[in-house]
Amino acid sequence: EVQLVESGGGLVQPGRSLKLSCAASGFTFSDYAMAWVRQAPKKGLEWVATIIYDGSSTYYRDSVKGRFTISRDNAKSTLYLQMDSLRSEDTATYYCARHGYYGFPYWFAYWGQGTLVTVSS
Amino acid sequence: DIVMTQGALPNPVPSGESASITCQSSKSLLYSDGKTYLNWYLQRPGQSPQLLIYWMSTRASGVSDRFSGSGSGTDFTLKISRVEAEDVGVYYCQQFLEFPYTFGAGTKLELK
Repeated sequence: EVQLVESGGGLVQPGRSLKLSCAASGFTFSDYAMAWVRQAPKKGLEWVATIIYDGSSTYYRDSVKGRFTISRDNAKSTLYLQMDSLRSEDTATYYCARHGYYGFPYWFAYWGQGTLVTVSS
Repeated sequence: DIVMTQGALPNPVPSGESASITCQSSKSLLYSDGKTYLNWYLQRPGQSPQLLIYWMSTRASGVSDRFSGSGSGTDFTLKISRVEAEDVGVYYCQQFLEFPYTFGAGTKLELK
């Protein structure tokens, strides 16, 4: 059974940093692209970043480019999101998601339960 | 960025009836490989989203055959036959033709 378990969320002041983790199990982590998708309170879904199966390529939405860094440790089956220079508009539940289709960043086949990040003074 | 626009449902939907959710993209999602790069998700209240349909019309593993996806390059429909209580939630369409991947604003389904 595929499991994605996020951690690291919490309350943080504007301008500060936070690092999210996602522990994956139930599949060969190194075979799949992974992503972070967020959802602001009472709002819709917003893709944040994707990393290819071997970490060789990463993609970001413009609003987080230069501030967020997605990375992975295939030996530990863990995905990360380093978030720097946080803003109030980054407040959201952050979901870890596994892309579908071996090797390609296609649909979001599996989702974690999410971790809430609140940026506020 | 590709803009995804979803239509509303005439809520609430009577149990056992059919419901169709529309989605429109600002750019054709039909790729040169003949596939249409459009997905559908359901987010039940208090839960994480789950994949329903990918490549516009392929049901994800374990998804009921009451769900079906159709459309053209820019206009898409998710049909839910014989609506049940477990279908309540917010439905999202999403394009994966190009980054940034974008979602529609969501369509809420309520049951009568």
